[in-house]
Amino acid sequence: EAGVVQSPRYKIIEKKQPVAFWCNPISGHNTLYWYLQNLGQGPELLIRYENEEAVDDSQLPKDRFSAERLKGVDSTLKIQPAELGDSAVYLCASSQGGYKNIQYFGAGTRLSVL
Amino acid sequence: AQSVSQHNHHVILSEAASLELGCNYSYGGTVNLFWYVQYPGQHLQLLLKYFSGDPLVKGIKGFEAEFIKSKFSFNLRKPSVQWSDTAEYFCAVNAPSGAGSYQLTFGKGTKLSVIP
Repeated sequence: EAGVVQSPRYKIIEKKQPVAFWCNPISGHNTLYWYLQNLGQGPELLIRYENEEAVDDSQLPKDRFSAERLKGVDSTLKIQPAELGDSAVYLCASSQGGYKNIQYFGAGTRLSVL
Repeated sequence: AQSVSQHNHHVILSEAASLELGCNYSYGGTVNLFWYVQYPGQHLQLLLKYFSGDPLVKGIKGFEAEFIKSKFSFNLRKPSVQWSDTAEYFCAVNAPSGAGSYQLTFGKGTKLSVIP
């Protein structure tokens, strides 16, 4: 069974440029998560989707970050414009949902903003 | 807000030494508890989980963890570590976050280095 697939694995951009990350969850998983992981920290939730609906986006900085999950499968996270402080690893996870669920993580996209 | 504390930032052990990594959380109600591991260059993987029942849970690769409700703790243990256990270990707690939803909160992680 394929795991959570993310691309690209690495991205280097200059500040003020836009950037987008893509995630394909495990087949059949209706819940999708985007996390931010700074160096030396654990992952922190940015947004959670139940199918196509963003049900928890309270920690997404909406002035520059946006996300979408059209058709309830793949998802894209975008930053526009990127700032130096956005350099981090962006993780995608998926699960079958519910309280007793296990989240499976992708390899992440390491973003460097110069 | 929910918080998870991992007591050690970096642990260095020799092979065959015993391991115990501490994890404490703040939520006072029912929680689900996890330990994830991230080997160098790899993605986060589930090591073990606790939902209910026996507070001593066993995971992959000889790891186990004990849930002590009175201490809000979920410490990870392994009796004899191997060089291949070198990785970063994250404790995570799934707890209510309001409005009927739940959120998985991670600790900052503990980096384990095993010396051959």
